[in-house]
Amino acid sequence: EVQLQESGPGLVKPSQSLSLTCSVTGYSITSNYWGWIRKFPGNKMEWMGYISYSGSTSYNPSLKSRISITRDTSKNQFFLQLNSVTTEDTATYYCARTTVAPFDYWGQGVMVTVSS
Amino acid sequence: QITLTQQAESLWVSPGEKVSITCRASQSLLYTDGKHYLSWYQQRPGQTTKALIYHASIRTDGVPTRFIGSGSGTEFTLSIEDVQPEDIALYYCLQTLKKPYTFGAGTKLELK
Repeated sequence: EVQLQESGPGLVKPSQSLSLTCSVTGYSITSNYWGWIRKFPGNKMEWMGYISYSGSTSYNPSLKSRISITRDTSKNQFFLQLNSVTTEDTATYYCARTTVAPFDYWGQGVMVTVSS
Repeated sequence: QITLTQQAESLWVSPGEKVSITCRASQSLLYTDGKHYLSWYQQRPGQTTKALIYHASIRTDGVPTRFIGSGSGTEFTLSIEDVQPEDIALYYCLQTLKKPYTFGAGTKLELK
């Protein structure tokens, strides 16, 4: 069974970088697409970006040059880095797989608070 | 970017009833391949987010047949027939026709 699990610090200081890991079991990240989505307080959802089976990436323009998604195929993990965070980046962050069905498997999500 | 509007913030339903959740797009979600790039998701506390429907009407594996996706162009509906207590959740639509992919604001299904 495909499983995704997010991990990373739950608290980040403003202006610092947020770094999260998505560990995948039951399926190789060298197939299909692997993305990050976040849910803000108040329930608004935002697609952040994805990394493809080949390692190419696509990002939400709203995140401009702050975002980077990378991977380690040997560990079957992919990563999110979001730079220069502000309190507006406080959210629950999810990783998810896309096949023919978008985001068909999700992780449980990790809550990240940006606060000094 | 494409805006998705889920008009109802909350809907109240009794077990056994049918309920419909609507999602309106700011432009057509029909692609040249004849498919609509609209999906539906369910979020329940303590559970992973569940993909219900993609391409507007195709159920993902294991989704009960009481979940029905319909619609075309800019108007889409997720219907739940014979609502079960475990269907009480937050439901989102998502468009993947154009980047950035965008979600609706969500509709919370609550028990009467």
